Amino acid sequence: DSGVTQTPKHLITATGQRVTLRCSPRSGDLSVYWYQQSLDQGLQFLIQYYNGEERAKGNILERFSAQQFPDLHSELNLSSLELGDSALYFCASSPTGLFFGYTFGSGTRLTVV
Amino acid sequence: TQLLEQSPQFLSIQEGENLTVYCNSSSVFSSLQWYRQEPGEGPVLLVTVVTGGEVKKLKRLTFQFGDARKDSSLHITAAQTGDTGLYLCAGGSGGYQKVTFGIGTKLQVIP
Repeated sequence: DSGVTQTPKHLITATGQRVTLRCSPRSGDLSVYWYQQSLDQGLQFLIQYYNGEERAKGNILERFSAQQFPDLHSELNLSSLELGDSALYFCASSPTGLFFGYTFGSGTRLTVV
Repeated sequence: TQLLEQSPQFLSIQEGENLTVYCNSSSVFSSLQWYRQEPGEGPVLLVTVVTGGEVKKLKRLTFQFGDARKDSSLHITAAQTGDTGLYLCAGGSGGYQKVTFGIGTKLQVIP
């Protein structure tokens, strides 16, 4: 157990639907990162939050949004889902938000049918 | 966009053999990390290197950061089946900036 909790572990949904992925960071970590991993593109950075504020944005689609709550947990919302959104979605956390090593959760496998 | 190229993409070797995987970029990174990921799990941090020319050892694994901080290598001595997994390198430029991951080297160690 890495200390980063992601739910749900698996999610199957239809095209056009909306889903919410949840992440609880490791205790004491203030920064949360979301990554998408697909077979052909590897780990793609989506977005970073630090202590409730958005810090950096990667290749996140406009259909996707995220937030970090006062208790530091984070949610990634994916809407108008397409088949191509099927992937593993990882949350990672770190203490300071600087690049000194991330602790990853075990991911949410999203399948869009 | 900073790119990290990893080679080889796939590697299948016999238990007991040595191997080296590479991580290369045209960009300079302030630090570089190696992770191992097993199927169905998230990546697990193995090491962080921050100084050009730095060498770090973790049991049978030796990590090196290039002098120019643009490349890195991971050498495994006497591979074991437990080393099987996807090895990812990730480069960062410090601060609140996005981190770039390589696509990974998929290693299979055959008994």
